[in-house]
Amino acid sequence: QVQLVESGGGVVQPGRSLRLSCAASGLSFSTSGMHWVRQAPGKGLEWVAVIPYDGSNKYYAESVKGRFTISRDNSKNTLYLQMNSLRAEDTAVYYCAKGDYYGGSGIEYFQHWGQGTLVTVSS
Amino acid sequence: DIQMTQSPSSLSASVGDRVTIPCRASQSISTYLNWYQHKPGKAPNLLIYAASILQSGVPSRFSGSGSGTDFTLTISSLQPEDFATYYCQQILSTPFTFGQGTKLEIK
Repeated sequence: QVQLVESGGGVVQPGRSLRLSCAASGLSFSTSGMHWVRQAPGKGLEWVAVIPYDGSNKYYAESVKGRFTISRDNSKNTLYLQMNSLRAEDTAVYYCAKGDYYGGSGIEYFQHWGQGTLVTVSS
Repeated sequence: DIQMTQSPSSLSASVGDRVTIPCRASQSISTYLNWYQHKPGKAPNLLIYAASILQSGVPSRFSGSGSGTDFTLTISSLQPEDFATYYCQQILSTPFTFGQGTKLEIK
C-alpha cells in the first residue's frame, strides 16, 4: 500500500536552515505530483508547495516563497523541502501528500498523506 | 489568491444529528473543491473530492454538494468517531488554499 514517511524535523534557531524528506513507497512516485502541507500549533492546514512528477513547474505559498525550495529525487522515491531563513511562524507539523487526479477533469485531491514531522523554530 | 471561508469555526452537535458544514470561495471554483477530516496527531483524511464525489472507503453518511462559490459538507447521522475538524480546500489554482476549518464538538 502507499506509504509516505516524513523525516528531518526538529528544533532549529531562527534564521537557520532545515531539510525535510518524504520517503515514498507503494506508488509510482516518478509519475506523481507531490505537495507539502503544514499545520502550526492551534492553527489550520496551510498548503505550502507543489512539485509535478518531473520537477518542472513548482509553486509555493506566499508565506514561504523565496525561502523554501521543494525538490524530488525520483531515483530515490523521495521528496524534499529545503527550508532556509526559518522564522518562528514556520513552527508546524509538516505533511507530504500525493496528488491524484479525478479522471481527466484536472481536479486534484490528496488521498495519501504522511504522518507528519514537527519543525520547531525557537532560540 | 482564492480565499476559502468556513463559518462557524466550531459547531456543537449530538450523536445522531444531521450536520451541515458550509464553505465559501472568494471566486467561482466550479467543483474544484475537496473536503478533509482531521483528528489531532493524525494525517488528514480525504472525505470528498470534486465537491461531491465520496472517496472510496468513506461512510455514506458523508456527502458533499455545491459548485461555484458555495459548498456544503453534510453528515447525515453523526457518529462518535466523526467529532473532528473539517477543512475544505480549493484545488483550482495555486496556492491551493484551505478554509480555516470547522471543529465539530460533542454537545
